[in-house]
Amino acid sequence: GQQLNQSPQSMFIQEGEDVSMNCTSSSIFNTWLWYKQEPGEGPVLLIALYKAGELTSNGRLTAQFGITRKDSFLNISASIPSDVGIYFCAGPPSGTYKYIFGTGTRLKVLA
Amino acid sequence: DAGVIQSPRHEVTEMGQEVTLRCKPISGHNSLFWYRQTMMRGLELLIYFNNNVPIDDSGMPEDRFSAKMPNASFSTLKIQPSEPRDSAVYFCASGTGLTEAFFGQGTRLTVV
Repeated sequence: GQQLNQSPQSMFIQEGEDVSMNCTSSSIFNTWLWYKQEPGEGPVLLIALYKAGELTSNGRLTAQFGITRKDSFLNISASIPSDVGIYFCAGPPSGTYKYIFGTGTRLKVLA
Repeated sequence: DAGVIQSPRHEVTEMGQEVTLRCKPISGHNSLFWYRQTMMRGLELLIYFNNNVPIDDSGMPEDRFSAKMPNASFSTLKIQPSEPRDSAVYFCASGTGLTEAFFGQGTRLTVV
């Protein structure tokens, strides 16, 4: 089946550092979504991307829709302890309505 | 808006029992999704409704699972009979069309 691979799987960083993570697929996507999940909670939508090459920011978060439409990137600047969680990419592959989720990147921030 | 509301938050049941999970989507949303999350398989889409109609149930694991959406403000996911391998966190999400999906807090199901 279709898969969204995220890297890295996990990250341990110092507070104040910038973070970069990515998501790749073998299929083309028309929409990329980035979610954050904290323990015991459902995923919360952070950023939505709808066009190849699009760069969108939400506070300290910036996400990009890859030109090939097969990848997306999320950056977090000046990380803080509350950034801790699992970050997922998601979307419906082109021609489908079936949302699939990536494998997740687990972020831990050391104060 | 209260967001997507799921109940119960936690459910512990014995193998063989029927389990019903409930979801109230965000008012005005016409898409509803049920997901299952496990450590091994991550977040898996079970079923997708649009305007109360099931569009794709290919993710439903087997006949023991069924989902209904009798109206725009309520959906259920039923497992009968339940098995230990059904233990997972089940999420309901709603949205407008096929854009952003907003998730509930989930139901943690444990089948013993």
